[in-house]
Amino acid sequence: EPEVTQTPSHQVTQMGQEVILRCVPISNHLYFYWYRQILGQKVEFLVSFYNNEISEKSEIFDDQFSVERPDGSNFTLKIRSTKLEDSAMYFCASRGTGGSNQPQHFGDGTRLSIL
Amino acid sequence: RKEVEQDPGPFNVPEGATVAFNCTYSNSASQSFFWYRQDCRKEPKLLMSVYSSGNEDGRFTAQLNRASQYISLLIRDSKLSDSATYLCVVNRDTGTYKYIFGTGTRLKVLA
Repeated sequence: EPEVTQTPSHQVTQMGQEVILRCVPISNHLYFYWYRQILGQKVEFLVSFYNNEISEKSEIFDDQFSVERPDGSNFTLKIRSTKLEDSAMYFCASRGTGGSNQPQHFGDGTRLSIL
Repeated sequence: RKEVEQDPGPFNVPEGATVAFNCTYSNSASQSFFWYRQDCRKEPKLLMSVYSSGNEDGRFTAQLNRASQYISLLIRDSKLSDSATYLCVVNRDTGTYKYIFGTGTRLKVLA
């Protein structure tokens, strides 16, 4: 079964440094998402991406965050200057075309630890 | 009021028991509904979509009540491997299909 893959599985970074989290969505999917989950809290939406542009972003997704689809397969999330509060699990998801009943499929996440 | 509310649990049940979880949502524009399962520190995995007429997949049954704005998940004949957190997920058809998650209900099935 095709799956969403994410790298790295764990990233440890000093506060103020830039990080790039990488995702390879399922190949025929057209909608891409990033979510995050702070330890012990619920999964929160960050951003959605469709047709090579951001289609929606949350209040969390401020100027420090950016997304890119640099080629036909990768989808990246960049955090420009990390803060302690950016420590969380980051999940990438993708979905195919079809109505709202099409589910999203999640990658196994990147654990980001900011020191 | 939270957009998607769930009882966080934990629900501790013996093997073989039947257990039910409810979830309420506040936005009547919500279009589609899902149950995901999340194991500790892992990604959410789709358990089932929830259809208006209700649907069943093996030991799992999902129901939707639009008038009262809640969805439910029933697990029959619980197995030890069912121990996990069950996430209620709602999406509004804004064109982006973004998900709104509940906090999850933790289930522990005991031998």
